[in-house]
Amino acid sequence: SQQGEEDPQALSIQEGENATMNCSYKTSINNLQWYRQNSGRGLVHLILIRSNEREKHSGRLRVTLDTSKKSSSLLITASRAADTASYFCATAPRETSGSRLTFGEGTQLTVNP
Amino acid sequence: NAGVTQTPKFQVLKTGQSMTLQCAQDMNHEYMSWYRQDPGMGLRLIHYSVGAGITDQGEVPNGYNVSRSTTEDFPLRLLSAAPSQTSVYFCASTPHPMTGTEAFFGQGTRLTVV
Repeated sequence: SQQGEEDPQALSIQEGENATMNCSYKTSINNLQWYRQNSGRGLVHLILIRSNEREKHSGRLRVTLDTSKKSSSLLITASRAADTASYFCATAPRETSGSRLTFGEGTQLTVNP
Repeated sequence: NAGVTQTPKFQVLKTGQSMTLQCAQDMNHEYMSWYRQDPGMGLRLIHYSVGAGITDQGEVPNGYNVSRSTTEDFPLRLLSAAPSQTSVYFCASTPHPMTGTEAFFGQGTRLTVV
């Protein structure tokens, strides 16, 4: 079964708007990662946040982690048409550190020009 | 560096046939893994390896075998293909499993079993 549940399943916004995606998980984690997948392509790593971190930034990306609620959010600011893709959260369980990633079902983001 | 290379990109099999999906990485990563992705779903772990000579099962291992004779290569074998194995298969590698770093993914193999 999938550890992560992502919300929403699909999101459609206009260029320039912000996009927020949420991820919930069930077990204790070492870290949580976000990946992007363009249609028909492999996954590309976006950002990793460790269990002892609460917020992390990378360019237009902002990730938060609340381990008490077992949830994370990914914010993409000033979205562009090129951000159109599926976004997945993945958790690494505490006992195996960086291995054995468990993926959520993803959020399909469409950014309209 | 080529990163993670998967071959073939597309494959059609008949039910009962066997085949091997190839995965190679040139980054000297210790950890490698295979996932399958079904329509509208996330990735599910099939098998993984923490180093040459060491493999273990993931979430959905039935019908698949793996081996890791070298650091670079991690082939996935379908023993007797079934329509339920129609999926997109991704191979990934991670520098060191205990440091909690990102995974690098191949471009995928789209497999259809008829």
